[in-house]
Amino acid sequence: GENVEQHPSTLSVQEGDSAVIKCTYSDSASNYFPWYKQELGKRPQLIIDIRSNVGEKKDQRIAVTLNKTAKHFSLHITETQPEDSAVYFCAASRVDSGYALNFGKGTSLLVTP
Amino acid sequence: DGGITQSPKYLFRKEGQNVTLSCEQNLNHDAMYWYRQDPGQGLRLIYYSQIVNDFQKGDIAEGYSVSREKKESFPLTVTSAQKNPTAFYLCASSIWGTGDQPQHFGDGTRLSIL
Repeated sequence: GENVEQHPSTLSVQEGDSAVIKCTYSDSASNYFPWYKQELGKRPQLIIDIRSNVGEKKDQRIAVTLNKTAKHFSLHITETQPEDSAVYFCAASRVDSGYALNFGKGTSLLVTP
Repeated sequence: DGGITQSPKYLFRKEGQNVTLSCEQNLNHDAMYWYRQDPGQGLRLIYYSQIVNDFQKGDIAEGYSVSREKKESFPLTVTSAQKNPTAFYLCASSIWGTGDQPQHFGDGTRLSIL
């Protein structure tokens, strides 16, 4: 399957600062890139997604950018709050597997007050 | 999401035993997926199904089996051939089409070996 690499694996920021998580993918046919937030022991929750015909999307404090040429996409969280602390996963759609998702290994974000 | 129900929440497997994890959705989604999550490894695809009575192996299908007899249901059986079954299992569904539809997850089943 396609390889999705995610960095950093851990990220610690102070409340109010911004957090950026970056992902790269290998399959140029991928056309859908969601981001999920997962709290301990719970299911992943979709927080934002972007399709390949769009370069940037924003939803309140969260934004995602996509560079198809470079095959990378990023999650930006501004004005971070302690409740943003969780593990964040990026993913890319797979044409070869019924549009299943290839996930990055996750970024553990800690926002300290 | 409230539309995808996984059961049980916790499951224990004895040596040599097969166990079945349930996944039911009422979202009228054609596509359903099973993922396995291990610590530090993200989610990996076990099986997927695009329509009733059809399913395909994912990246780590060995030791697992599925069925799709109804659109709403996609149960996963962890067989005794799966030597390291301890993990968090997540079922997801989505609208089938152009590959750009969100996947919605159930609450997961945590499987452990007794």
